[in-house]
Amino acid sequence: ETGVTQTPRHLVMGMTNKKSLKCEQHLGHNAMYWYKQSAKKPLELMFVYNFKEQTENNSVPSRFSPECPNSSHLFLHLHTLQPEDSALYLCASSQIAGVRTTEAFFGQGTRLTVV
Amino acid sequence: GENVEQHPSTLSVQEGDSAVIKCTYSDSASNYFPWYKQELGKRPQLIIDIRSNVGEKKDQRIAVTLNKTAKHFSLHITETQPEDSAVYFCAAAETGGGNKLTFGTGTQLKVEL
Repeated sequence: ETGVTQTPRHLVMGMTNKKSLKCEQHLGHNAMYWYKQSAKKPLELMFVYNFKEQTENNSVPSRFSPECPNSSHLFLHLHTLQPEDSALYLCASSQIAGVRTTEAFFGQGTRLTVV
Repeated sequence: GENVEQHPSTLSVQEGDSAVIKCTYSDSASNYFPWYKQELGKRPQLIIDIRSNVGEKKDQRIAVTLNKTAKHFSLHITETQPEDSAVYFCAAAETGGGNKLTFGTGTQLKVEL
């Protein structure tokens, strides 16, 4: 079983709700990522945390708010989402070490539906 | 930023045939090129990767080739089996920048009996 665990697996929320996605990695990695996977689109990198510091925010709307309290946990706080935000949200982790940087290990994802 | 293009978007082969998926990238600084396989309803999983200091890598029925000059890399699957049916994604990253993968749009591979 993967060392990256995401909860919940499925989430249905209204546009006025506030919810959070959780990701936990047990691989001892120093970097964590949020990706969005929509139908017929490539996986889109949303946020990158390296040693708990956010190093990338790919023009993601402010209704998505990441939080990385430590190198093993990553959250994505959601509020006032739009129906077009419905997608599979994937968390990943890797060990950043220059040329020895490892592959990205993905979690199972959270299937989000905004109604 | 990096831009990765992947072709074809769908590929249907007979069991036992070979399958080839091609990707191009734009950023000459990219030095890491993984390939992920995603089965329906499951997470993407790495099947093979290649770094820019080699031109080819093979792992049993799977091989990847890299042409840095032309900025393209390809996945080759030989002796395809029904369990190879999945969506395959190529990606590119510059590892010194933190392994921020830019993905291609994916190829739906179907291996028919």
